[in-house]
Amino acid sequence: DAGVIQSPRHEVTEMGQEVTLRCKPISGHDYLFWYRQTMMRGLELLIYFNNNVPIDDSGMPEDRFSAKMPNASFSTLKIQPSEPRDSAVYFCASSLQRGGQTGELFFGEGSRLTVL
Amino acid sequence: GNSVTQMEGPVTLSEEAFLTINCTYTATGYPSLFWYVQYPGEGLQLLLKATKADDKGSNKGFEATYRKETTSFHLEKGSVQVSDSAVYFCALSDQTGANNLFFGTGTRLTVIP
Repeated sequence: DAGVIQSPRHEVTEMGQEVTLRCKPISGHDYLFWYRQTMMRGLELLIYFNNNVPIDDSGMPEDRFSAKMPNASFSTLKIQPSEPRDSAVYFCASSLQRGGQTGELFFGEGSRLTVL
Repeated sequence: GNSVTQMEGPVTLSEEAFLTINCTYTATGYPSLFWYVQYPGEGLQLLLKATKADDKGSNKGFEATYRKETTSFHLEKGSVQVSDSAVYFCALSDQTGANNLFFGTGTRLTVIP
């Protein structure tokens, strides 16, 4: 399997622009997570999906952030409008829960966002 | 609630030194515990895990034992290598039935030759 695939790997944009980050989870995995990593706040869970349905979006910073999962093989995280404080590395991860046990999370390589 | 507390970094060791990274947790119920490692420029990857009290997880020379009495899951390695330089994250599973993990803040390890 190719693993979790994220794009773009790097994005530099100007304040006010729309940013869309993309993720392809591992085939067959039924959970998908979006995390944000910064030096100041560490690794933060933004939102996660189960079978394409958003389960918990309490970590989404504000209305400028939105996430969708239109099908089992694709998810997007959108920031509109972007601000300099959104600069971070955004990780997507997927997992397969088995028998009620938390499954291993498989992370993508991340999308490094810089908002000028 | 659920939380994980890791020792503050960064940690700098010479090659072949002994490594301990402390991790304690707060949780209701009986969580599973994990150590993830993040190498430079990469995403996190699972290093080891333990699913119940007194279990020992091990991988690549690293070990951690699930201690319920001290609510700890310290990571150890007897002899570190330069290639072990990375950020290490302790994590615990959500006990509400959701398939989520709570991560610590991470500890950066640098091993010098």
